[in-house]
Amino acid sequence: DAGVTQSPTHLIKTRGQQVTLRCSPKSGHDTVSWYQQALGQGPQFIFQYYEEEERQRGNFPDRFSGHQFPNYSSELNVNALLLGDSALYLCASRRQGDTGELFFGEGSRLTVL
Amino acid sequence: GQQVMQIPQYQHVQEGEDFTTYCNSSTTLSNIQWYKQRPGGHPVFLIQLVKSGEVKKQKRLTFQFGEAKKNSSLHITATQTTDVGTYFCAGGRNQGGKLIFGQGTELSVKP
Repeated sequence: DAGVTQSPTHLIKTRGQQVTLRCSPKSGHDTVSWYQQALGQGPQFIFQYYEEEERQRGNFPDRFSGHQFPNYSSELNVNALLLGDSALYLCASRRQGDTGELFFGEGSRLTVL
Repeated sequence: GQQVMQIPQYQHVQEGEDFTTYCNSSTTLSNIQWYKQRPGGHPVFLIQLVKSGEVKKQKRLTFQFGEAKKNSSLHITATQTTDVGTYFCAGGRNQGGKLIFGQGTELSVKP
């Protein structure tokens, strides 16, 4: 049973570019959340997707957008990259109705130069 | 907005010593979760507390949720080198909703 998988694991971009990160949730899970974790900090909630719609959003600008597909996988898109967007981007999944554990993927480490 | 503060930021202990990290929320929480993140790894769920004054134990780990549901603590008895990592608390205002993570407490254990 595969857990949460994310791709790519590492990537380097330059300021102003755009990036797409991908996530496949754990088998049986239908709700996906994205978190940004800067070095030495706790994860910060970006948004949550369920039934292909954004259900909750954290305090992130519109440059951050997402999508969820019918197979429950998800993408995080960031436009007009800034140096401050350098971070580990974590995807977490759970089953709607389960109110406990979030299962995190290994993350995508983004470096913006 | 809602904030979750966690102290201390770092804790260095000798193997066998105890360790405690504290978590305080600016608002009343519906639930609090604890995660462990090993160096270079991702957060791994440890436990969830939902009831006022709740205490849960997992072997050498003891988790508490305050009476006012605004604070929590994690206590590790007799630390081992395998306990090394960063411990995060994460508070939720509603079940299944977004989690607000603390800054984490990084634990190092000297053999």
